[in-house]
Amino acid sequence: AQSVAQPEDQVNVAEGNPLTVKCTYSVSGNPYLFWYVQYPNRGLQFLLKYITGDNLVKGSYGFEAEFNKSQTSFHLKKPSALVSDSALYFCAVRDVGNNQGGKLIFGQGTELSVKP
Amino acid sequence: KAGVTQTPRYLIKTRGQQVTLSCSPISGHRSVSWYQQTPGQGLQFLFEYFSETQRNKGNFPGRFSGRQFSNSRSEMNVSTLELGDSALYLCASSLVARGTDTQYFGPGTRLTVL
Repeated sequence: AQSVAQPEDQVNVAEGNPLTVKCTYSVSGNPYLFWYVQYPNRGLQFLLKYITGDNLVKGSYGFEAEFNKSQTSFHLKKPSALVSDSALYFCAVRDVGNNQGGKLIFGQGTELSVKP
Repeated sequence: KAGVTQTPRYLIKTRGQQVTLSCSPISGHRSVSWYQQTPGQGLQFLFEYFSETQRNKGNFPGRFSGRQFSNSRSEMNVSTLELGDSALYLCASSLVARGTDTQYFGPGTRLTVL
């Protein structure tokens, strides 16, 4: 069965430092991977996705993610964190090969806290 | 282009009642998916609709149902509400229902069951 794991419930970073939010996945077939961010009392905002091609994907608000097939990981990164990046981050996967259509499977979420 | 809109934003119901939530997708998007978000279970898939047809259904009881109209707008209905149905219900739309498509989410409907 397809699954996504975010091993850290919370990540704390000082403003200006680089940040990494970890994600590992398990799918059969080609993985289509997504990152979303959720601010309090809001829906999910799309950050970036990996479909195929370059393993380094660039997305919104200066975020990027690195796809690593051998380690089945898709970690979210940002070179310099902002206080406004503090939010809940979700990694998600969709396995087209199993006719999953549009269904997204989400990790449990990682709370990112950026302190001034 | 306007984003995904969901109405109402907040709902308070009592056990045993039923509720209908509405979702209007981004203009031109033909696929709508619904998710339930709770602190304990996280984000769970409910349904996916494309061209008025349900393509996928998650592991929820039959009390949860949905439909999609010819203009791609979608509704979901929960009958005989239980306390555990209290959650944020999120709707997402995409151009079609391909795995490569990005799903764009609405702000959600916060349902509280008393």
